[in-house]
Amino acid sequence: KAGVTQTPRYLIKTRGQQVTLSCSPISGHRSVSWYQQTPGQGLQFLFEYFSETQRNKGNFPGRFSGRQFSNSRSEMNVSTLELGDSALYLCASGGGAFSYNEQFFGPGTRLTVL
Amino acid sequence: SQQGEEDPQALSIQEGENATMNCSYKTSINNLQWYRQNSGRGLVHLILIRSNEREKHSGRLRVTLDTSKKSSSLLITASRAADTASYFCATGETGANSKLTFGKGITLSVRP
Repeated sequence: KAGVTQTPRYLIKTRGQQVTLSCSPISGHRSVSWYQQTPGQGLQFLFEYFSETQRNKGNFPGRFSGRQFSNSRSEMNVSTLELGDSALYLCASGGGAFSYNEQFFGPGTRLTVL
Repeated sequence: SQQGEEDPQALSIQEGENATMNCSYKTSINNLQWYRQNSGRGLVHLILIRSNEREKHSGRLRVTLDTSKKSSSLLITASRAADTASYFCATGETGANSKLTFGKGITLSVRP
């Protein structure tokens, strides 16, 4: 089976712009979670989707949003980018119904905000 | 907010030695997992131990869980240079706010 794929792998944006990141889970996986990783804050949970429904959301401002499509692919969007949004954004998929079980991570999207 | 806290933050050992990493957490958990991350890439799942288990093995990995002390340890035996990476513990929490919560990680360097 192909692993979790994320596109793009690298992205450079300027403050105020918006960005959309994409994640394709492992075939058959219906749970997709997103995490933000920074040197200062570590891995922070953003949100979790299951069968097109957002089941859980982390403590991030409303500028961070996401969605999941009927084929389980997911996108996350960040509007009005700030310098502090520079991070590695990781997507993970799980074969079970809950994101607290084993997760399979993609390679991440490295976002740099200038 | 961080649930798991790993200890030490950094560990440097010689190839062939054992590496022990510890993780403490604060709330009730369904399971505890360990992940590895190589330099800025995606995380790789290593092992999962459920809250009703005390010890689990997988190849050169041994993980223990003490729910009374809310702590876990990961032992990597006979370490190799390829084990050099960051290691994260993650607690699986159930309930209305079910999710995986990661610690800040341990940087392991294995010297050849």
